[in-house]
Amino acid sequence: GAGVSQSPSNKVTEKGKDVELRCDPISGHTALYWYRQSLGQGLEFLIYFQGNSAPDKSGLPSDRFSAERTGGSVSTLTIQRTQQEDSAVYLCASSLRSGVYYNSPLHFGNGTRLTVT
Amino acid sequence: GQQLNQSPQSMFIQEGEDVSMNCTSSSIFNTWLWYKQDPGEGPVLLIALYKAGELTSNGRLTAQFGITRKDSFLNISASIPSDVGIYFCAGQSSSNTGKLIFGQGTTLQVKP
Repeated sequence: GAGVSQSPSNKVTEKGKDVELRCDPISGHTALYWYRQSLGQGLEFLIYFQGNSAPDKSGLPSDRFSAERTGGSVSTLTIQRTQQEDSAVYLCASSLRSGVYYNSPLHFGNGTRLTVT
Repeated sequence: GQQLNQSPQSMFIQEGEDVSMNCTSSSIFNTWLWYKQDPGEGPVLLIALYKAGELTSNGRLTAQFGITRKDSFLNISASIPSDVGIYFCAGQSSSNTGKLIFGQGTTLQVKP
């Protein structure tokens, strides 16, 4: 079946512009995550949606970052007034379910490589 | 915030050798997952662990959920060139909303 789909795969933008990154999770997956991966680094947690619960936004690095998940499916990560340090690969993942006591494994998309010039 | 310490950062080994890497946490985890990432792609799940002490194998890969619930290791036996990549541990703490946090990764290179 279809995996997690992210678009665009590459995005080059000028400093100060806003960008929107899109994630289509696997159908039926209730949990959706955004991570950021800088060159040669690990995965930095950004935000996590689980069903109808309030999202865990504890990883968003500044108020320039926001994300929404419409209808419990597609998610959009928005970065306003981009800075050069925002350049990274933004990875989206979904899982069947997750919670305090149990996590189904995450399935990742191939990411959006964002370059801010 | 919560952190996972993954080691080693990188390994360069000869084909056929066994490999071991591990992750430790300062807090108790309910779930440990091991992922592999190839260049230009998202991480792919290798092994999932849900019980303290659990030992699980997937082909040449073996992983264990530490009895203290604060650590996990991944072993790869008889390495082959296609094992090259970055390996990540990931865990879910018992004290948060369910989010998964990742280690910094172990870069594995295999010399034929």
